[in-house]
Amino acid sequence: ELKVEQNPLFLSMQEGKNYTIYCNYSTTSDRLYWYRQDPGKSLESLFVLLSNGAVKQEGRLMASLDTKARLSTLHITAAVHDLSATYFCAVDKTGYALNFGKGTSLLVTP
Amino acid sequence: GAGVSQSPSNKVTEKGKDVELRCDPISGHTALYWYRQSLGQGLEFLIYFQGNSAPDKSGLPSDRFSAERTGGSVSTLTIQRTQQEDSAVYLCASSLGRYSPLHFGNGTRLTVT
Repeated sequence: ELKVEQNPLFLSMQEGKNYTIYCNYSTTSDRLYWYRQDPGKSLESLFVLLSNGAVKQEGRLMASLDTKARLSTLHITAAVHDLSATYFCAVDKTGYALNFGKGTSLLVTP
Repeated sequence: GAGVSQSPSNKVTEKGKDVELRCDPISGHTALYWYRQSLGQGLEFLIYFQGNSAPDKSGLPSDRFSAERTGGSVSTLTIQRTQQEDSAVYLCASSLGRYSPLHFGNGTRLTVT
């Protein structure tokens, strides 16, 4: 069974600070996704990482994938309040049945 | 363009009743998915439709759950004889195909009383 673990599950950070969210998964996969969910809203696709060593950046967020370590990271640079949300990583082996982590609830405070 | 549309947005039903949840995918998306999001279980895959192929129903939690997709577009998720543990947000998503990023709808919040 493919298991996906995120940590931390809760994160409170000050504006302007940097932090990293980690996503570990249990079996081989070359495809990893990051999603964002705002309270009461649906999931928004942030990144799709397709190969070992892949790195993608959008604004203050940067995601990377190490398939050998079965690890993806989502790095937040100089956090701002608008980044407050829940972030999910998801891994799939089938091309459609994603296994999601439990999510990291991020709160950015002044 | 229009995103994935789900209806109703909220549904409260009594235990034992049947419910139908509807999903309109993004036009042109051949793949359609149902997921369930609950506090206890997180996000769970339920079912996947791809074009005219037989759906993958491996995630459906019991035989009370069924789904169909008519004309390769609109999908309906039906839960028969609802139980309290069925209370969750049911999310529909669509994509251009296998391996493509999923676009999620806003979900239907189901509460079984």
